[in-house]
Amino acid sequence: GQSLEQPSEVTAVEGAIVQINCTYQTSGFYGLSWYQQHDGGAPTFLSYNGLDGLEETGRFSSFLSRSDSYGYLLLQELQMKDSASYFCAVRSTNYGQNFVFGPGTRLSVLP
Amino acid sequence: DVKVTQSSRYLVKRTGEKVFLECVQDMDHENMFWYRQDPGLGLRLIYFSYDVKMKEKGDIPEGYSVSREKKERFSLILESASTNQTSMYLCASSSQPQHFGDGTRLSIL
Repeated sequence: GQSLEQPSEVTAVEGAIVQINCTYQTSGFYGLSWYQQHDGGAPTFLSYNGLDGLEETGRFSSFLSRSDSYGYLLLQELQMKDSASYFCAVRSTNYGQNFVFGPGTRLSVLP
Repeated sequence: DVKVTQSSRYLVKRTGEKVFLECVQDMDHENMFWYRQDPGLGLRLIYFSYDVKMKEKGDIPEGYSVSREKKERFSLILESASTNQTSMYLCASSSQPQHFGDGTRLSIL
C-alpha cells in the first residue's frame, strides 16, 4: 500500500524560512507533488518533482530524494498569507498513476 | 484558467436520503476525481474516471457511486446517506497537476 507522513503543525515568523518534510512508502513511485490549501478554499498546486533534486518556483522550492523516499517543501521569506495547510502527494504507478495525499501540515506564520 | 465547479458549497441532508454532488470542468480533461477530506486524514480518493462512462474505485468507494455521462461532468452519488459521510467533498480534474473545485461541505443529520 501507500503511506505518507508529514508533521501535523509548523509555526514560524514572518520573513523566516521553513521546511516541511514528507516521507513516503509506496511501490511504483512516479513523482511527488505539493499542494497548498487555505482555510475554506480548494487545494492549489505548488510544485512537482519527477526526478531527484531541487525545483524552484519563486519563494517556494521542493526537493526529492527517491533513494531516501523523502521530499520537502521549502518556503522562504515567509508572509502572513502563507498560513495554510500543505499536502504532499505521491503519484504511484501502482495506483492507476493517481495521487495519494499525505495528512497535511498546518503552517502558521506569526507577525 | 481551468475552472472546476461544484454545484453546492454547503449541503444538509438526512440519513437515508439519496444525495447527488455535481462537478463540471471546462478544460476537456479526460481524468476526473472525487475525494473526501477529513481532519488529520488528508484527501482520500473515492472514485475516479478516465473517460466518459469509465469509472474506477479509489480507496474508499463503499457507500458511493459515480456517473460520467458527459466528459465535462462527474457526479458523486451517496446511495443512502449516513452520518459517517458527513465530510468535505472535493472534485478534481486532470492528473498533473490536479485542479480542484471549491468543495462541498456535506452534513448528514
